[in-house]
Amino acid sequence: AQKITQTQPGMFVQEKEAVTLDCTYDTSDPSYGLFWYKQPSSGEMIFLIYQGSYDQQNATEGRYSLNFQKARKSANLVISASQLGDSAMYFCAMREQVIIQGAQKLVFGQGTRLTINP
Amino acid sequence: DGGITQSPKYLFRKEGQNVTLSCEQNLNHDAMYWYRQDPGQGLRLIYYSQIVNDFQKGDIAEGYSVSREKKESFPLTVTSAQKNPTAFYLCASSISRFSTDTQYFGPGTRLTVL
Repeated sequence: AQKITQTQPGMFVQEKEAVTLDCTYDTSDPSYGLFWYKQPSSGEMIFLIYQGSYDQQNATEGRYSLNFQKARKSANLVISASQLGDSAMYFCAMREQVIIQGAQKLVFGQGTRLTINP
Repeated sequence: DGGITQSPKYLFRKEGQNVTLSCEQNLNHDAMYWYRQDPGQGLRLIYYSQIVNDFQKGDIAEGYSVSREKKESFPLTVTSAQKNPTAFYLCASSISRFSTDTQYFGPGTRLTVL
């Protein structure tokens, strides 16, 4: 069963507009973490923002915020005042706890390609 | 500057050859990871290591091998047993194996089998 779902393969937005990238997840673990990464055409994965399942407030980092709706199991990324440099692939990921080894494992969605038009 | 380096950036391999991808970090992180990314896909975990001289298989370990002899190094060998090795490979590290730690990624190696 797919644990992270990103339903938008591609999005096109005008520069300076806000954009919301959707992410829904599925887990039975009460303790989990949700991450968003940006992957520009160069290929590196850049960490953007993290939300823990017990965090009371939505996470924010500069122009990035995470709209966390626990009951709906959604963790949408909001980018305010988009810039040309925001054009990239964006991945939502969930941290799973591997009980036996005690290690964390990230499960990634398929990604959304965001294009900012001037 | 602290960070994760991967080399080479591009790698070409003939069928039947083993190749080794390098991953080095100077962040003093305990945990290191290898992921594979296919075109238009998310990342899938190949192997991970929580401490030196210890590593575990991820979801797609068949045809790959790793070692962790030093804290800062976690090389990945793609063996001839890997049936479809052409992909983008990303190495990551985190402070420790505990669940609240963010994973940070290297720039990646693009492997092409000729």
